[in-house]
Amino acid sequence: QSALTQPASVSGSPGQSITISCTGTSSDVGGYNYVSWYQQHPGNAPKLIIYDVSSRPSGVSNRFSGSKSGNTASLTISGLQAEDEADYYCSSYTSSITWVFGGGTRLTVL
Amino acid sequence: EVQLVESGGGLVQPGGSLRLSCAASGFTFTNYWMNWVRQAPGKGVEWVANIKQDGSEKYYVDSVKGRFTISRDNAKNSLYLQMNSLRAEDTAVYYCARGEYDASGSFPDWGQGTLVTVSS
Repeated sequence: QSALTQPASVSGSPGQSITISCTGTSSDVGGYNYVSWYQQHPGNAPKLIIYDVSSRPSGVSNRFSGSKSGNTASLTISGLQAEDEADYYCSSYTSSITWVFGGGTRLTVL
Repeated sequence: EVQLVESGGGLVQPGGSLRLSCAASGFTFTNYWMNWVRQAPGKGVEWVANIKQDGSEKYYVDSVKGRFTISRDNAKNSLYLQMNSLRAEDTAVYYCARGEYDASGSFPDWGQGTLVTVSS
């Protein structure tokens, strides 16, 4: 049950696009299309923004998109806005019928 | 509107016990897996445990196996986490999170969390 690997931080200017990677193993990310992404602003609970690798819940901006290749999933945010500044966590269902999260990525909008 | 309200957090000494509760409303509780997820101060999010709709299946992160027990009372629309033999590293905000019909579903709804502090 090792945590998924994410970059500690990424940054971008308003209007730009950024991508956050999330690397796991064949027992989690690579083995299932059950990767989710969560956004967390300071003091708030995490909010689901992507599920099942690339699906968006109702109400989530289409500027957020997800993908997966092998053992690595990715979250892309296009048209970066100031309100996107937050922590982002990936998570994956595992072969043990458990879930594992990534260490989190702090997004800074310059 | 889905609401998940955690309670029961507080300060406890190492080796002590605490029972967290989560009151659910705004959805059919018996249709969903339920989860506990925690976040240590200034740290990332960690999944802790989940429980099937009828309570027949329960799974835990390795670090809490044998110490924590997840349970649910479907008549009361409530989720619980009994935490025993608490350690300093269990200090965290504990979130109740709704799953989906299948264990593989994501967590679309979260409570605001309850803080557990393990310290002497």
